[in-house]
Amino acid sequence: LAKTTQPISMDSYEGQEVNITCSHNNIATNDYITWYQQFPSQGPRFIIQGYKTKVTNEVASLFIPADRKSSTLSLPRVSLSDTAVYYCLVGDEVSGAQKLVFGQGTRLTINP
Amino acid sequence: DAGVIQSPRHEVTEMGQEVTLRCKPISGHDYLFWYRQTMMRGLELLIYFNNNVPIDDSGMPEDRFSAKMPNASFSTLKIQPSEPRDSAVYFCASTGTGESYEQYFGPGTRLTVT
Repeated sequence: LAKTTQPISMDSYEGQEVNITCSHNNIATNDYITWYQQFPSQGPRFIIQGYKTKVTNEVASLFIPADRKSSTLSLPRVSLSDTAVYYCLVGDEVSGAQKLVFGQGTRLTINP
Repeated sequence: DAGVIQSPRHEVTEMGQEVTLRCKPISGHDYLFWYRQTMMRGLELLIYFNNNVPIDDSGMPEDRFSAKMPNASFSTLKIQPSEPRDSAVYFCASTGTGESYEQYFGPGTRLTVT
């Protein structure tokens, strides 16, 4: 499974847009990019998944450049409740889809 | 659906005692996973099942750990004997074939071994 690198922590303020970038230089052709969110004292929760270009859902957007060596999770107009750890994962549906490998994640803190 | 159910939510035990953690996956899901989370090691996959059969247990730390899935709606993770270094939050997750990476996690069991 491709290794991912993301910032250990980030700070922002309510109402701002937050972008968290993940580096995955060794991503394979069949690999998908997935992001999870974990609140304190809870299990991780799936946010979004993509393969290339841009994916958007009701929670976030995921931007993936053409070379796919990085991806950016974008959270629009964050609130205090978006304070959490965000994990970027990479893997393919055949061998990796059922075996998530979590890195250390990015601890996002939203301030008033 | 109530989501993935885990019990107990908290467990405090003494070193050397047997500990059994329980999980009920979401109905219809055919994959079940056990993870462990600590500050030092982060979130680690211990073992996962497909259709009640263990597929990959390479993450199980040692022989003191064992997991079973006797039927589609129940799984256990047992530690015997427990040690202080087993203190962690243990998560169970489930997903269905074709749902790719969207695993549904339970609330976790916080285990403290004194």
